Amino acid sequence: GAGVSQSPRYKVAKRGQDVALRCDPISGHVSLFWYQQALGQGPEFLTYFQNEAQLDKSGLPSDRFFAERPEGSVSTLKIQRTQQEDSAVYLCASSSPLDPRPNEQYFGPGTRLTVT
Amino acid sequence: KQEVTQIPAALSVPEGENLVLNCSFTDSAIYNLQWFRQDPGKGLTSLLLIQSSQREQTSGRLNASLDKSSGRSTLYIAASQPGDSATYLCAVPSNSNSGYALNFGKGTSLLVTP
Repeated sequence: GAGVSQSPRYKVAKRGQDVALRCDPISGHVSLFWYQQALGQGPEFLTYFQNEAQLDKSGLPSDRFFAERPEGSVSTLKIQRTQQEDSAVYLCASSSPLDPRPNEQYFGPGTRLTVT
Repeated sequence: KQEVTQIPAALSVPEGENLVLNCSFTDSAIYNLQWFRQDPGKGLTSLLLIQSSQREQTSGRLNASLDKSSGRSTLYIAASQPGDSATYLCAVPSNSNSGYALNFGKGTSLLVTP
């Protein structure tokens, strides 16, 4: 497909488990973003990649959160030793300055993480 | 840090009414402003994007305006329909150092009743 895809769509983890969330951006989009959306809230920025370089990780809530994009396309958000407060929807978005509307972000469907 | 506020938090209207959703932001030096729609359990769908040099954008029954100097944007929905029921989010980018990462409001939850 032509859009941003994310997997899995739903993930249930027991407290203390590690999880890995995957994002496939739109082909050719150099910018990739991760956001966290708690129930009833707007999305909150976590981290930003330009190609394979992680240029901003100021939104990551703790050192248990780690993101990578080793080849500048697919990205993985990893959460170690999950806690109940990590329960949220994790959204991925991509953009390109070369798009007709430069830097407009396109979002995936999200991964709903529930930590029990 | 850019703060984005949306009013009202929730809105219920009968079908056919025209309605206005409000968004305000604290730093007027913005690159653009986006309005998104989010259906329950779904991702975000971009509705309208207004560049900083523009005053408004229109798409079908939707019209978004931007007043940078006052830090406000409004989303006008004409002749509302039950299918318009969703959460509407306003977002403003941070600076280019973060790739224009978006700062979101908490959203307005809209219910249009038949």
